[in-house]
This record gives sequence, structure tokens and C-alpha cells, in this order.
Amino acid sequence: AQSVTQPDIHITVSEGASLELRCNYSYGATPYLFWYVQSPGQGLQLLLKYFSGDTLVQGIKGFEAEFKRSQSSFNLRKPSVHWSDAAEYFCAVDSAAGGSYIPTFGRGTSLIVHP
Amino acid sequence: DGGITQSPKYLFRKEGQNVTLSCEQNLNHDAMYWYRQDPGQGLRLIYYSQIVNDFQKGDIAEGYSVSREKKESFPLTVTSAQKNPTAFYLCASSFDRGNQPQHFGDGTRLSIL
Repeated sequence: AQSVTQPDIHITVSEGASLELRCNYSYGATPYLFWYVQSPGQGLQLLLKYFSGDTLVQGIKGFEAEFKRSQSSFNLRKPSVHWSDAAEYFCAVDSAAGGSYIPTFGRGTSLIVHP
Repeated sequence: DGGITQSPKYLFRKEGQNVTLSCEQNLNHDAMYWYRQDPGQGLRLIYYSQIVNDFQKGDIAEGYSVSREKKESFPLTVTSAQKNPTAFYLCASSFDRGNQPQHFGDGTRLSIL
């Protein structure tokens, strides 16, 4: 079965500093990987996705993520954080087994941004 | 613009009462999903439907029921059998293909009176 681990419950950074949110997955084959962001009281918005090809994926809002098969990781990065980036971030993995799409979500990492 | 509409945004339930959460999408997506979100637990799948008139249980289906009579609608009923219904409920949809991400509604927050 597939699984996702986001080892950091909270991350605190200063505005303007760089950011890296960790995500590790467990799945035998090449998975489909996603990062979502959730603002308080809102649904989830897709930041970026990896299906195949280039292992460095660019997303919206200046985010990027790198797929590292050897480390089973898909870490999210941003070179300079803005106060508006404070939110909950979810990593998700999907095997697309049998053509169905049932992603597994991590527990989320809460990003706190200090001025 | 296409999207997912969940209503109401806030809902209160009395003990022993069934309540129904609405989810409507105009994205022409085949697949729809219901998730429950509790603090620190991420998203847990309640039910999903890949086609009209068909649905499957997710990881925490007990105490919930759904229907999929129309492609655009996937209502969730929280029954009195669900003893701890207070949570944030999210509806999502996707094309039923393995390379499509899910689109989410803005959620319904359910509380017990």
C-alpha cells in the first residue's frame, strides 16, 4: 500500500528566507506526486504535480519540488517566502493502479511565517 | 468558471439527527470524493464515486452514506450512527484517469449542538 510521511508538523521561517518542506513516500513503482496548499477554512489548492520526466517540477506561487527516487522523497521548496505563504501544506501520492485515482495524503505541515 | 461548490459552509447537528452536506461540480468530472479533515490528521477518505450510480467506501465510511444519481452531484449524509461527526468535510473531483489531480471545494464545517 502507498503511504506518505510529512515529518514536520510545523515549520517556522522568517519572511524572505528560503523554505523546504519534506515529503517521503512509500510505493513500489514510480508514483504520481502532488503538493497542495490549504489556507484556513478553505479547500486544497494544487501547487504542483509530478507524473514523469524532469524530476524538478515548477508550480504556482514560485514553488518547486524535486523528485528523488533514491530517497523516495518529493520535497517542496521556495527560495524566498512571503507572509501570504503561511498555510497548511499537504503532500499526496497516487499509484493510479487500475486507472482509478485514489491519492493518499500526508498529515500536513503547518507553515508559520515571521515578519 | 468551473469548480466545486459545497454547502452549507457551516452546519450544526443535534444528537440523533441526520444531516446532508451538498457537493456540486460543473467540471464534467467523472470521479468525486468525500474527505474528512481533523486537526493533525490530514485528509481521510470517506467515500468515492467513479461513475454515476456507483460508489465505494473509503477508509472511514462507517456512519456516513452517499448517493450519486447525477454526474455533477455527490451529497454526503452524516447519520446518527457517526458518534464523532465534528470535523471539516471536503469534497473533491477528478477525471477518472490516473494523471489528473483532484480539485477541491471550500469545505463544510460540521459541529454538534
